Amino acid sequence: DTAVSQTPKYLVTQMGNDKSIKCEQNLGHDTMYWYKQDSKKFLKIMFSYNNKELIINETVPNRFSPKSPDKAHLNLHINSLELGDSAVYFCASSLLSGEAQLFFGEGSRLTVL
Amino acid sequence: AQSVTQLGSHVSVSEGALVLLRCNYSSSVPPYLFWYVQYPNQGLQLLLKYTTGATLVKGINGFEAEFKKSETSFHLTKPSAHMSDAAEYFCAVSEANTPLVFGKGTRLSVIA
Repeated sequence: DTAVSQTPKYLVTQMGNDKSIKCEQNLGHDTMYWYKQDSKKFLKIMFSYNNKELIINETVPNRFSPKSPDKAHLNLHINSLELGDSAVYFCASSLLSGEAQLFFGEGSRLTVL
Repeated sequence: AQSVTQLGSHVSVSEGALVLLRCNYSSSVPPYLFWYVQYPNQGLQLLLKYTTGATLVKGINGFEAEFKKSETSFHLTKPSAHMSDAAEYFCAVSEANTPLVFGKGTRLSVIA
């Protein structure tokens, strides 16, 4: 069983569309994250949820909206996609909020044309 | 706020040679330090971590790192490179109750 799973793995779409990426973890962790990895491999945190509550919201356009229906799921919805949104988006989880060791999913590569 | 600098965006070594990937950090409190590895088209996998205690930390796949507070460094080493070590390596730092901050990564190439 994959510990942190994301779908879809690849996503190609046109500018202006709306898309979602789903993430599920079966580790029983309380905290989940979204990280963005740009074309230069730089990883930056976007959001963090602890037990369904938003605890970190970095400077991210409000076109990005995370949703956590329960503590095992954290989805990312993106409205009005722009070329600059093209990146690999990683979901991660940790046992507790503030626990630094993260477990990552395999990433979702988003390409906006 | 904490930060990480990885010296060298690309390191190339011969198979069997020593691997040395450099990481320096900045932190206002005793940090937690990590090395992650990313193989092509995959997520990040934890190699090793330092939280407290012994400053020489051993990880998976024969890698180790030494926490040197006086030098604010956490360099990653492996005595003998293998072709399968070719990947992107990320150093990361965390202060208490803050999310991980990653360095920009170092791509390791291993030449046969």
